[in-house]
Amino acid sequence: VIWMTQSPSLLSASTGDRVTISCRMSQGISSYLAWYQQKPGKAPELLIYAASTLQSGVPSRFSGSGSGTDFTLTISCLQSEDFATYYCQQYYSFPRTFGQGTKVEIK
Amino acid sequence: QVQLQESGPGLVKPSQTLSLTCTVSGGSISSGGYYWSWIRQHPGKGLEWIGYIYYSGSTYYNPSLKSRVTISVDTSKNQFSLKLSSVTAADTAVYYCAREEVAGMAYWGQGTLVTVSS
Repeated sequence: VIWMTQSPSLLSASTGDRVTISCRMSQGISSYLAWYQQKPGKAPELLIYAASTLQSGVPSRFSGSGSGTDFTLTISCLQSEDFATYYCQQYYSFPRTFGQGTKVEIK
Repeated sequence: QVQLQESGPGLVKPSQTLSLTCTVSGGSISSGGYYWSWIRQHPGKGLEWIGYIYYSGSTYYNPSLKSRVTISVDTSKNQFSLKLSSVTAADTAVYYCAREEVAGMAYWGQGTLVTVSS
């Protein structure tokens, strides 16, 4: 099982801020990493796959980087609709595993 | 546009079997290339992957649930199903079905809350 450490668990920020979320793997996964956004009462939505490829329709203020064991999700200029919880997920091996989540809240 | 929709009882008694079905529209389960997956989320918590089934019937289950989980597929109805046996209150969660492809899980159902209570 590949364990994931996502940090921080809570991030307080203001509209317009640049925010960064980290995800670290217990072993290398190449670039088989996805990022999801989840809003209350809704299913997660895919933002980024293959560590850095933006899903169709996702705003360009979202970006992902990293490979191997360390990955980062960056939101360059936080908008009001970006306040949500974010999860990383590895699809390098089974069982699939998710990070613990990062809640981005209004400061 | 692919859509997934979960259905099943919202209340299950302890020790009984939880049964959910995911109906897929806008695409065929039999087309291949996708893992048809179940994921759950305990109230206020993170996401837990339960398992997947391929259209051929091959499966993989999370080892933490493997002894209680069965995922099956009915290609004639374009559906796949989850059964979780011997449930307890710890199985109370929102259950999602999703389609995984080479680029992550792009399609999810809306989720269905299943409460385990007598």
